[in-house]
Amino acid sequence: TQLLEQSPQFLSIQEGENLTVYCNSSSVFSSLQWYRQEPGEGPVLLVTVVTGGEVKKLKRLTFQFGDARKDSSLHITAAQPGDTGLYLCAGERGTYKYIFGTGTRLKVLA
Amino acid sequence: DTAVSQTPKYLVTQMGNDKSIKCEQNLGHDTMYWYKQDSKKFLKIMFSYNNKELIINETVPNRFSPKSPDKAHLNLHINSLELGDSAVYFCASSQLQGAGNTIYFGEGSWLTVV
Repeated sequence: TQLLEQSPQFLSIQEGENLTVYCNSSSVFSSLQWYRQEPGEGPVLLVTVVTGGEVKKLKRLTFQFGDARKDSSLHITAAQPGDTGLYLCAGERGTYKYIFGTGTRLKVLA
Repeated sequence: DTAVSQTPKYLVTQMGNDKSIKCEQNLGHDTMYWYKQDSKKFLKIMFSYNNKELIINETVPNRFSPKSPDKAHLNLHINSLELGDSAVYFCASSQLQGAGNTIYFGEGSWLTVV
């Protein structure tokens, strides 16, 4: 059973377009993280959101934690080829235990 | 100055063999993990150790045996390798700081069982 479903699974867009990636669950998480993974490397943390309804911005990336702390979204404005990668959400389900989402593979074409 | 380093990066081996992957972190973290990423890029936790003590074991076959000689090292030994063990294995570490701890991942060890 996948606790964290991400959508879309794959996304290919042109440079300059906007996009939103969703991370959904029926479970409540104490915190939620977003990671980006590039080919041949391990995931790298982008952001952590802790409070329901919290919004965080990282340059062109906007992250939101759902009010009920069951879902999250990642919005990228004016995507660039450098944003290409695998985006993973991860929900905290207890001390030391993070459940990773199914992943969204993003490709931004120049 | 790699924070989490694991070796080997690539490993091709035959079914039935026994192999080990080593991991070291120089971040001074108390907690280390092994994750498995399958061909569909799904990342699943296998084990977690805190100060050399096993705290998470996620229904992994007992052919997989982690060992933590000290809090900076967490090695993974796999016996009787099977085709389905082919995956990328990531070592990671973190330091408990309340909600939302950053997990630092190694570069991965690509295991192919033939």
